[in-house]
Amino acid sequence: NAGVTQTPKFQVLKTGQSMTLQCAQDMNHEYMSWYRQDPGMGLRLIHYSVGAGITDQGEVPNGYNVSRSTTEDFPLRLLSAAPSQTSVYFCASSTGYRVFGEQFFGPGTRLTVL
Amino acid sequence: DQQVKQNSPSLSVQEGRISILNCDYTNSMFDYFLWYKKYPAEGPTFLISISSIKDKNEDGRFTVFLNKSAKHLSLHIVPSQPGDSAVYFCAARRFEVQGGKLIFGQGTELSVKP
Repeated sequence: NAGVTQTPKFQVLKTGQSMTLQCAQDMNHEYMSWYRQDPGMGLRLIHYSVGAGITDQGEVPNGYNVSRSTTEDFPLRLLSAAPSQTSVYFCASSTGYRVFGEQFFGPGTRLTVL
Repeated sequence: DQQVKQNSPSLSVQEGRISILNCDYTNSMFDYFLWYKKYPAEGPTFLISISSIKDKNEDGRFTVFLNKSAKHLSLHIVPSQPGDSAVYFCAARRFEVQGGKLIFGQGTELSVKP
């Protein structure tokens, strides 16, 4: 199992550009999430999905879109990048069969917006 | 409103001694608490968890204590090893909230000196 994979590892954008961060998992997990990590802020939830075709907003959804057409993939789209979106982005997956709902994280994408 | 707080950004401990990482929460409805460990340039990995009906859970060198009346949990690492140097996040969730919605603290960076 590859677990949770994310591409790209690094990305530099100019203000106003758009891009998609890719996330895939091969564990057949029904739940997937996107977090951003900023210094002193911990991990903040951007969007999450409880299954294919179902998504919802987290704590900091503005400026981001998601869709979930398959169980495996959960891409995160930046519509018009802003310097405030400079961060490290983590994708995670989990399953309801685990009582505590622990999530498995990908290695992250480090994004810089100039 | 930060529902899960880790007020110590960093902690330095001598190898072989005990490391105690603290976490406070404000939402009395949380049912599950989890600790994650994160090395640089990697995603967080699940470490240990505890249910709100317990006050202690132990796994090898790692023990988590929960004090519900104080809305406080702590992670004890005994004995500490240099390989334990990492950022530790505590997280919480409610039972009825579907998977994918963990609330994280800001993290504490642990440094274990040889």
